[in-house]
Amino acid sequence: TQLLEQSPQFLSIQEGENLTVYCNSSSVFSSLQWYRQEPGEGPVLLVTVVTGGEVKKLKRLTFQFGDARKDSSLHITAAQPGDTGLYLCAGNGIKAAGNKLTFGGGTRVLVKP
Amino acid sequence: GAVVSQHPSWVICKSGTSVKIECRSLDFQATTMFWYRQFPKQSLMLMATSNEGSKATYEQGVEKDKFLINHASLTLSTLTVTSAHPEDSSFYICSARAFSGRDTIYFGEGSWLTVV
Repeated sequence: TQLLEQSPQFLSIQEGENLTVYCNSSSVFSSLQWYRQEPGEGPVLLVTVVTGGEVKKLKRLTFQFGDARKDSSLHITAAQPGDTGLYLCAGNGIKAAGNKLTFGGGTRVLVKP
Repeated sequence: GAVVSQHPSWVICKSGTSVKIECRSLDFQATTMFWYRQFPKQSLMLMATSNEGSKATYEQGVEKDKFLINHASLTLSTLTVTSAHPEDSSFYICSARAFSGRDTIYFGEGSWLTVV
């Protein structure tokens, strides 16, 4: 059973469109991180959210942490081809996982020019 | 930001041989490092947690005698794939925990292993 459910698994959009990726769990996180990974490379940390209800912005990317710290979303405005990649959410401090960093299944984003 | 380096980036080895992958934290000390395996188009699967000065903790289903982990110092952990088989071919990624107030984890660049 995946402790962190990411949706959708795959997203293909045209340049300029918006997209949202969701990360959900029935467990509470002490913190949640979002990463982007390109083929053949390690994940690169985008943001860490800690406080319930927290919203963080990174240029065209907006990250939101749910009030109950069980879910999170990543919204990209006016997507560009350079946003293409695998987006991973990872929860820290899930007791069921022994307080290790637990990854969602990932969302593959393809932004077509 | 914190940097974690893996070496080699890619390696090809023959079946039956062993191969070692290094993971180094370049600008911080990491008492805990993690080793992941990733298959194409899939997410990361945690293999083991590497603790400096003590034995690694392996996830269920991961053979500790096949995937030897040594965390010899606060900046270095190694993963040795012993008696490699073609099914061990994969992308291996390490990460290190940096206690920067928010307990952030940084990832290495990954190592491609191909067993022929």
